[in-house]
Amino acid sequence: DAEITQSPRHKITETGRQVTLACHQTWNHNNMFWYRQDLGHGLRLIHYSYGVQDTNKGEVSDGYSVSRSNTEDLPLTLESAASSQTSVYFCASSESRGRNTEAFFGQGTRLTVV
Amino acid sequence: QQQVKQSPQSLIVQKGGIPIINCAYENTAFDYFPWYQQFPGKGPALLIAIRPDVSEKKEGRFTISFNKSAKQFSLHIMDSQPGDSATYFCAASGQTGANNLFFGTGTRLTVIP
Repeated sequence: DAEITQSPRHKITETGRQVTLACHQTWNHNNMFWYRQDLGHGLRLIHYSYGVQDTNKGEVSDGYSVSRSNTEDLPLTLESAASSQTSVYFCASSESRGRNTEAFFGQGTRLTVV
Repeated sequence: QQQVKQSPQSLIVQKGGIPIINCAYENTAFDYFPWYQQFPGKGPALLIAIRPDVSEKKEGRFTISFNKSAKQFSLHIMDSQPGDSATYFCAASGQTGANNLFFGTGTRLTVIP
């Protein structure tokens, strides 16, 4: 079955370290997204991609970067982790651009920055 | 600035009750309004979605009511069950697709047996 997987599921890192969260989908979806989920804020879009070599900033992109070298993967990098980036991170993918289609979410990565 | 405002933050109902979750938006460019359901430790999953050309959509026990003039939409869960206990998020996006999904802050629903 097609799926979207995130790794690791849990991560503790120190302030100032670079951290990369992995996201891999097997649906061959063009669209991929990264959200962070915080109490009182819901899910907020960090970065998104419409296809290979395409990346775009979302509403809370400062301190994060992504790269899209193939269809299946969109890794999220925290350049220099800060305590404010302690959150649960969700990756999602959807079928195509130009139509409102269902976004499928991964299981999430709980990141703690100490 | 929250693009989609959701209330209440939490809701407790008895089994069989009809919880109602409300959302409001300002951006008239939004034309797709999904609801996502999230269980603890899991990612959100699409529950039901509506476009503004209809005022109501029903799928099983879940109904979305949409009021375009008021820029409000709501989720009703008929005959609620303990298994419906979860966090519910409303969302909205414009014509460019699911890429710019703006989520509400979530409602934690508890259905008491």
